[in-house]
Amino acid sequence: GNSVTQMEGPVTLSEEAFLTINCTYTATGYPSLFWYVQYPGEGLQLLLKATKADDKGSNKGFEATYRKETTSFHLEKGSVQVSDSAVYFCALSARAAGNKLTFGGGTRVLVKP
Amino acid sequence: EAGVAQSPRYKIIEKRQSVAFWCNPISGHATLYWYQQILGQGPKLLIQFQNNGVVDDSQLPKDRFSAERLKGVDSTLKIQPAKLEDSAVYLCASTPRETQYFGPGTRLLVL
Repeated sequence: GNSVTQMEGPVTLSEEAFLTINCTYTATGYPSLFWYVQYPGEGLQLLLKATKADDKGSNKGFEATYRKETTSFHLEKGSVQVSDSAVYFCALSARAAGNKLTFGGGTRVLVKP
Repeated sequence: EAGVAQSPRYKIIEKRQSVAFWCNPISGHATLYWYQQILGQGPKLLIQFQNNGVVDDSQLPKDRFSAERLKGVDSTLKIQPAKLEDSAVYLCASTPRETQYFGPGTRLLVL
């Protein structure tokens, strides 16, 4: 079946540091890949997505590139802010599976001033 | 555009009691999902509706969980009787095609 593995947290950074959260997946066919973010006390929000190999999703300074050869979709941000403190979830959906989302376990990021 | 609405936001019950959650998806979204998110884990699909029909309920514990989506719009998820391990956040999401939009969730605590 489909699965997503992402690095465990928490990840603690100083403001303006570089952030990378690793995500790898296992899926049949050609899934779409997503990063969702969950701020404290709030629901899941779509951060970015990519629907085919070599696509780059980007939003709010975050980027992730769909790498089919390494089955990865790592999230990066060049300079984090305190407001980026949240839990980040990598996920995939596959049309053959009804487009339901399969999530990784989440990575908590804490940015200190 | 209004987002996905869920209620209640919080619920505390004792084990063996029943509870119901409500979801109102984004207008026009044909597909609706219910996910269970246990603390410290990623959400896991419970059930998927396409309009008012069930597409996938393979992960729904049918001995205690039930869900319906009358008229293809609002949906309710019920647990009866609740167990301690049902303590979680229950998320509703809807989509017109592929990208899913989530509601704020209902946080359930079973004592």
